[in-house]
Amino acid sequence: NAGVMQNPRHLVRRRGQEARLRCSPMKGHSHVYWYRQLPEEGLKFMVYLQKENIIDESGMPKERFSAEFPKEGPSILRIQQVVRGDSAAYFCASSPTRGGGNTIYFGEGSWLTVV
Amino acid sequence: DQQVKQNSPSLSVQEGRISILNCDYTNSMFDYFLWYKKYPAEGPTFLISISSIKDKNEDGRFTVFLNKSAKHLSLHIVPSQPGDSAVYFCAAIPSGSARQLTFGSGTQLTVLP
Repeated sequence: NAGVMQNPRHLVRRRGQEARLRCSPMKGHSHVYWYRQLPEEGLKFMVYLQKENIIDESGMPKERFSAEFPKEGPSILRIQQVVRGDSAAYFCASSPTRGGGNTIYFGEGSWLTVV
Repeated sequence: DQQVKQNSPSLSVQEGRISILNCDYTNSMFDYFLWYKKYPAEGPTFLISISSIKDKNEDGRFTVFLNKSAKHLSLHIVPSQPGDSAVYFCAAIPSGSARQLTFGSGTQLTVLP
């Protein structure tokens, strides 16, 4: 997990507030993936980004969720008007190229709790 | 539709014995399979992978077996150690995609001293 930095590690939001999760990929990595793990479930793919481009957002909920990976700075997963069902662990991963095998490295995760 | 299934939510094994974790998949388009280990409050850590053109890959105490006809793979850990106690996720990557991982629901392995 060394190198992929996520913050905050823990975030508490009230229903209706916004949550912003940040991910800095490993140095030299230009591909970022976001995954969500709901309680008692496996990780589910959300979105795949390269710098300034969303490549695949097939796993993202259609409303309230958005992601970006700007030219400068970290990738951001934004959840607007959070609901209790958004409570989950959100993991960011990065790879130097289109990921495959052990070139995908995960961060420590951001735990979102909606109260 | 769960394309990657880990039907055993938990497994307990005595230290020194073999741990066998199983995974089934339904999508014939998967061409790469991976196992990740995860401790509580941490991100997944890559363990071992296997391409669909192979039936076995070994790395130290970890061996992954792939049976394409049965759409089944397994992770063998031998000898098991208490530090192996964690949740193990099977994951698969379909060919020709953006290479996103499809994960199983995980198996909690407990290695008893």
